[in-house]
Amino acid sequence: EAQVTQNPRYLITVTGKKLTVTCSQNMNHEYMSWYRQDPGLGLRQIYYSMNVEVTDKGDVPEGYKVSRKEKRNFPLILESPSPNQTSLYFCASSPLGLPEKLFFGSGTQLSVL
Amino acid sequence: AQSVSQHNHHVILSEAASLELGCNYSYGGTVNLFWYVQYPGQHLQLLLKYFSGDPLVKGIKGFEAEFIKSKFSFNLRKPSVQWSDTAEYFCAVRREYGNKLVFGAGTILRVKS
Repeated sequence: EAQVTQNPRYLITVTGKKLTVTCSQNMNHEYMSWYRQDPGLGLRQIYYSMNVEVTDKGDVPEGYKVSRKEKRNFPLILESPSPNQTSLYFCASSPLGLPEKLFFGSGTQLSVL
Repeated sequence: AQSVSQHNHHVILSEAASLELGCNYSYGGTVNLFWYVQYPGQHLQLLLKYFSGDPLVKGIKGFEAEFIKSKFSFNLRKPSVQWSDTAEYFCAVRREYGNKLVFGAGTILRVKS
């Protein structure tokens, strides 16, 4: 079954404690992306990757890091989380140049206290 | 920079009422347009898309959207909504052949049974 798997689904943490949200896809997609979803603001892109070792900033990259060492994995790293990073996070993947085939993960609800 | 505006953040309708959700974008070049739906607790799913040709596009579950180039609009319509259409709807735009999708803030639709 084609899927984008994010873990964990829910995470509560405290300010400053480093965390990683994992994302893995089994469709051999080149393009992967992280979004955060906030009420009234829709989805905003954090980082994206067009292939292994190729990553670039989206619209709201501050406070986040990513890596793309393997094609299937695209973890999101918060080195020092802050309360304003409390949000719902989605990972997505698609073949390159085909965003209409963007496949979303189930989301990670993060709360930073 | 591209931006996408969705006019209503919350819409409440009774079953069988007609629906129209507004979407306007700011990019002046050739664009591809999308509507996504997010049912409660689920990830985003593609509802319909417009690339070229007939400006009236039909999607899943009886939804349609009309691209009006002169108005930079891509409004979503459904003649008769059902309780199961309760969801959040996102309009998105990308520049032709680009990878980046820019999302609107979303419209939460609640259908009363």
